[in-house]
Amino acid sequence: DAGVTQSPTHLIKTRGQHVTLRCSPISGHKSVSWYQQVLGQGPQFIFQYYEKEERGRGNFPDRFSARQFPNYSSELNVNALLLGDSALYLCASSRLLQRASNYGYTFGSGTRLTVV
Amino acid sequence: AQSVAQPEDQVNVAEGNPLTVKCTYSVSGNPYLFWYVQYPNRGLQFLLKYITGDNLVKGSYGFEAEFNKSQTSFHLKKPSALVSDSALYFCAVRDANSNSGYALNFGKGTSLLVTP
Repeated sequence: DAGVTQSPTHLIKTRGQHVTLRCSPISGHKSVSWYQQVLGQGPQFIFQYYEKEERGRGNFPDRFSARQFPNYSSELNVNALLLGDSALYLCASSRLLQRASNYGYTFGSGTRLTVV
Repeated sequence: AQSVAQPEDQVNVAEGNPLTVKCTYSVSGNPYLFWYVQYPNRGLQFLLKYITGDNLVKGSYGFEAEFNKSQTSFHLKKPSALVSDSALYFCAVRDANSNSGYALNFGKGTSLLVTP
């Protein structure tokens, strides 16, 4: 089985632009979570989706939004990019919602976003 | 909020020596604790978890962690370090905030350097 795949791997955007990041979970996994990892810090929770519904939201501004599709893939959208949005964006998937917290998520390799 | 702290930014150890990476936690109720490892330009890899049961938890790649309730600690250990263990290590706790689903709160990370 393929792991969690994220695209693109790297991208550079200008302040004020919009960006869409994509994530494909492991086959059979219905839960997808998004995390932001700024250089030198631990990942920070952004969103969690399960069965296409938002199940959790971290402390991020409304410029950040996400959705999950019927095939359980997910998009993270960020509007009006700021320099501070430069980070590694990680996607994690799990088969079930409850079991995810008990048995650990599977993370993708991330998308490195640079805002200039 | 549930949180973890990793007091060391970097740990240096010689190959073949035992290693310890420290983590302390602050939670209300029973803690759900995790260790992840991150190699350069990669996502997070799950090492081990503590939910309930034995205080000594065994995980991947020969790592283990000791849960100590009286000291609110969950230190990661390995009896004999390898150069290939050099990476960034994150301790995490499941958030109990109802708005965050089953999100993980991560520490800031500890860089482990194993020298030959």
